[in-house]
Amino acid sequence: NAGVTQTPKFQVLKTGQSMTLQCAQDMNHNSMYWYRQDPGMGLRLIYYSASEGTTDKGEVPNGYNVSRLNKREFSLRLESAAPSQTSVYFCASSEGQRQYFGPGTRLTVT
Amino acid sequence: ILNVEQSPQSLHVQEGDSTNFTCSFPSSNFYALHWYRWETAKSPEALFVMTLNGDEKKKGRISATLNTKEGYSYLYIKGSQPEDSATYLCARDSNSGGSNYKLTFGKGTLLTVNP
Repeated sequence: NAGVTQTPKFQVLKTGQSMTLQCAQDMNHNSMYWYRQDPGMGLRLIYYSASEGTTDKGEVPNGYNVSRLNKREFSLRLESAAPSQTSVYFCASSEGQRQYFGPGTRLTVT
Repeated sequence: ILNVEQSPQSLHVQEGDSTNFTCSFPSSNFYALHWYRWETAKSPEALFVMTLNGDEKKKGRISATLNTKEGYSYLYIKGSQPEDSATYLCARDSNSGGSNYKLTFGKGTLLTVNP
């Protein structure tokens, strides 16, 4: 099992550009999450999905949209990237309390 | 306490030392407390999930305790090794049920074990 995979690993965008971060899990988990990690901050929840077809806002949803395409995949979209969205983005999944994290995507917005 | 707070922010110990650090969290609407280990250039990995007041969990040389009434958890590492060097995150789960668990993370304690 690959666990939780994320693409791309690195990305540089210019302000105003859009992009989609992809996440997939092969553990048949119902719940999936997107977090961002910034220096000096804990992991902060952007959006989560309790099950296929449902999504809910987390702590810092502004500037992002998500799609739970199917049970395996949960994508995060930046419609118009801003420098404040420079961060490391982690996807996670869970079935039960323990969350399993992907390797992260390092995004820089210039 | 409104947020999840961890102390100290960073810690340097010598190989063989035992050490511990603290996670403080709001005790109201408590559901579970998670500890994660996060090595540089890797992704966080779950160590423990604790739910009951007085819970103690152990995994090898690492153990954790939980006090839900006063809102704190301790993580202990006995006989630290260089491979224990990592950031240790705690997270509070206030979910009351269902299949999704919204975690509020602390900023972490960065542990460096010197050989």
